[in-house]
Amino acid sequence: NAGVTQTPKFQVLKTGQSMTLQCAQDMNHEYMSWYRQDPGMGLRLIHYSVGAGITDQGEVPNGYNVSRSTTEDFPLRLLSAAPSQTSVYFCASSSGQGVTEAFFGQGTRLTVV
Amino acid sequence: AQSVTQLGSHVSVSEGALVLLRCNYSSSVPPYLFWYVQYPNQGLQLLLKYTTGATLVKGINGFEAEFKKSETSFHLTKPSAHMSDAAEYFCAVRYNNNDMRFGAGTRLTVKP
Repeated sequence: NAGVTQTPKFQVLKTGQSMTLQCAQDMNHEYMSWYRQDPGMGLRLIHYSVGAGITDQGEVPNGYNVSRSTTEDFPLRLLSAAPSQTSVYFCASSSGQGVTEAFFGQGTRLTVV
Repeated sequence: AQSVTQLGSHVSVSEGALVLLRCNYSSSVPPYLFWYVQYPNQGLQLLLKYTTGATLVKGINGFEAEFKKSETSFHLTKPSAHMSDAAEYFCAVRYNNNDMRFGAGTRLTVKP
């Protein structure tokens, strides 16, 4: 059972570089989201999507772009990495609104130097 | 802004003691409520969730949580802590637009 798969698991970037964090789910979930986790701040929502072709901003969207061309994939792009984007990134998916829980990937640990 | 607050960033208990992790939400409209657990270097795993009906919710690994609307709380408890319970615990709320918000987390340490 794959669930939510994130790649890579670890990444080191230099300031100003760009990269894409990949997220794929095989549960046919409509809802997908990206969070960043920083010490003492819990998980903060970056962007989310309620279906293919539809995305919206969360709490901390600046510096990140997303797109949702298929139900399965929801990549997160860093256009010009900054040290403040050093964090652990989690992708999550869920089947619907309200009571349905979110399923999380294993995370990507990103360091920007 | 609607939010969720977890009181205590670190909680330490002895093995066999009661575990109590506190969570309060700020909304006059009860949200959907969740508790997740995160073990080191892993993603988040659902412990339990509150839907409607019974206010006492039972989850995995012996954990349970009680929804108290009058106190806007959803505290997590376990009668007897085990060493394997050492982890970080997150309370989360979801409102109508599927926007799930998390508390800052509580790190639970269990002493032998």
